[in-house]
Amino acid sequence: QKEVEQDPGPLSVPEGAIVSLNCTYSNSAFQYFMWYRQYSRKGPELLMYTYSSGNKEDGRFTAQVDKSSKYISLFIRDSQPSDSATYLCAMSGTGRRALTFGSGTRLQVQP
Amino acid sequence: EAGVVQSPRYKIIEKKQPVAFWCNPISGHNTLYWYLQNLGQGPELLIRYENEEAVDDSQLPKDRFSAERLKGVDSTLKIQPAELGDSAVYLCASSPGTVSYEQYFGPGTRLTVT
Repeated sequence: QKEVEQDPGPLSVPEGAIVSLNCTYSNSAFQYFMWYRQYSRKGPELLMYTYSSGNKEDGRFTAQVDKSSKYISLFIRDSQPSDSATYLCAMSGTGRRALTFGSGTRLQVQP
Repeated sequence: EAGVVQSPRYKIIEKKQPVAFWCNPISGHNTLYWYLQNLGQGPELLIRYENEEAVDDSQLPKDRFSAERLKGVDSTLKIQPAELGDSAVYLCASSPGTVSYEQYFGPGTRLTVT
């Protein structure tokens, strides 16, 4: 079993919808949580970075971390066709610094 | 501010041939990472540098892979000899310093071994 599990999708939604992307993890040492967006044939782009539990909002994006459930989420409001990409969750424990990634969820926003 | 630069963007080689990838991190970033990304998977760490020192290379297949980061800036990742299973995207990332966990990725080098 992988340390970080993520539904590969594809997830298809109409433009303007609220998108919910999720990851579960097994390593209780993870403290730092990130969401990356990756367009086809591009490198991952950092979207959100949170430490420990709680919520963080940036524009249309909200990241939530529930360490008690080992569950993290990314919400995208008013989704746009330009949001169509693969979304990767990533996390790290104190000290090691290397990121452990999920396998990514492919999102398609239909105009 | 310029992002992480990688070259080449694409490389096609025959098996058993050597290949090298180059990375220039974001200016001022002391920490540099090389990741490997297979199709449909998330990136996996190969090696991490703090300045010139390789501090985490436990996932680097040392029989055929090598890396260096001279002067603590640019880095080169080499494979010799390449195998068919090495076909993947090789990503370089950098981080501002030893207290930051945010990582910024380059566009990657897509390697095809035939």
